[in-house]
Amino acid sequence: GAGVSQSPRYKVAKRGQDVALRCDPISGHVSLFWYQQALGQGPEFLTYFQNEAQLDKSGLPSDRFFAERPEGSVSTLKIQRTQQEDSAVYLCASSPTGQAYGYTFGSGTRLTVV
Amino acid sequence: AQSVTQPDIHITVSEGASLELRCNYSYGATPYLFWYVQSPGQGLQLLLKYFSGDTLVQGIKGFEAEFKRSQSSFNLRKPSVHWSDAAEYFCAVGPPEYGNKLVFGAGTILRVKS
Repeated sequence: GAGVSQSPRYKVAKRGQDVALRCDPISGHVSLFWYQQALGQGPEFLTYFQNEAQLDKSGLPSDRFFAERPEGSVSTLKIQRTQQEDSAVYLCASSPTGQAYGYTFGSGTRLTVV
Repeated sequence: AQSVTQPDIHITVSEGASLELRCNYSYGATPYLFWYVQSPGQGLQLLLKYFSGDTLVQGIKGFEAEFKRSQSSFNLRKPSVHWSDAAEYFCAVGPPEYGNKLVFGAGTILRVKS
């Protein structure tokens, strides 16, 4: 597609509920990144895929967070047993190469845990 | 660990006035440097980037930034601000040995007075 598409745009979850956030990267982009942006803060790195391989997951805040990209295109970020501190905007970015300078960001999914 | 500091949380300028947004980073070597802009409810749009070479970088929408190694700074400037420039601006650092991760500052919210 022309840009990075994320769905849903907004998600309200009850505390303890599981959620799944989807990212459709730009077609052909090798690399895919997830960032978490808390209110009033800059984005923070969560995880990085090159094709289907998850090469870096050092930013995932807990084992409740899980990301996958099974066919090297669409990616899903799953959060189990959501907590209030998980409320944030989750941004996806893709890049045609493995380097940071090629990022294109999606519009994000705003997750609110109540 | 590397860090990015944007000292100004909010800045208000009059339309037509000049603008400078400050960014300082803490890192031992010269990283990759970026400025992004984020409008409400939108993803991040790349304004400009610096990797090496000429320390004055031109970007989109009439923005420029200057890398000053001695001050570990990468300040964003625009000679004449337009009302449509009102948004949040993020400075980011991508240390080469970190591969693809970007470390973002907390952002500066720009308000434009007419």
